[in-house]
Amino acid sequence: DQQVKQNSPSLSVQEGRISILNCDYTNSMFDYFLWYKKYPAEGPTFLISISSIKDKNEDGRFTVFLNKSAKHLSLHIVPSQPGDSAVYFCAASAFGSARQLTFGSGTQLTVLP
Amino acid sequence: DAGVIQSPRHEVTEMGQEVTLRCKPISGHDYLFWYRQTMMRGLELLIYFNNNVPIDDSGMPEDRFSAKMPNASFSTLKIQPSEPRDSAVYFCASSSPGLETQYFGPGTRLLVL
Repeated sequence: DQQVKQNSPSLSVQEGRISILNCDYTNSMFDYFLWYKKYPAEGPTFLISISSIKDKNEDGRFTVFLNKSAKHLSLHIVPSQPGDSAVYFCAASAFGSARQLTFGSGTQLTVLP
Repeated sequence: DAGVIQSPRHEVTEMGQEVTLRCKPISGHDYLFWYRQTMMRGLELLIYFNNNVPIDDSGMPEDRFSAKMPNASFSTLKIQPSEPRDSAVYFCASSSPGLETQYFGPGTRLLVL
């Protein structure tokens, strides 16, 4: 059973537009959420995170929104750039889990010039 | 600062051979994680250490897999004997005290023929 789900395997967006990547989770014990970006032949790179005490966190062009009641989070990239083309993973951890992260299956984002 | 270092980056071996993957975490980090990424199962946690002590190895698929962390700056993941289904990308990650964020190495791409 997947506790963290990314239902869209791929997403294509025009350069300059907004990219919205979605993630759903089922474990109500999750209280910390992260997004990672992965380029081919590289390891995942930390992008942005959010604690469950917040509903929004922003870092430059990247904003993560958390809707605890819906058990849903999203990553907004504005404006999208061709260099943002990568696989994006959503991850979650639960308090007391000794930092174990549960990853989603990833979404391939392609930003078209 | 150097990130997480993994070696080798690529490994091709024949079924039945022993494979040893190596990882050097970021200096000062107290948690070390080993992950495996496959198309079928995505990114899955195999084992993790805290202060060189294995905490949870429930993700290790079989007894053929073993991991050690003899000191704070080195860990190994060994597969003996290797099988074709072990072919995957293996990532090592580390995190610093008090923080949830994990930092990943570039991975080792293993192919077992």
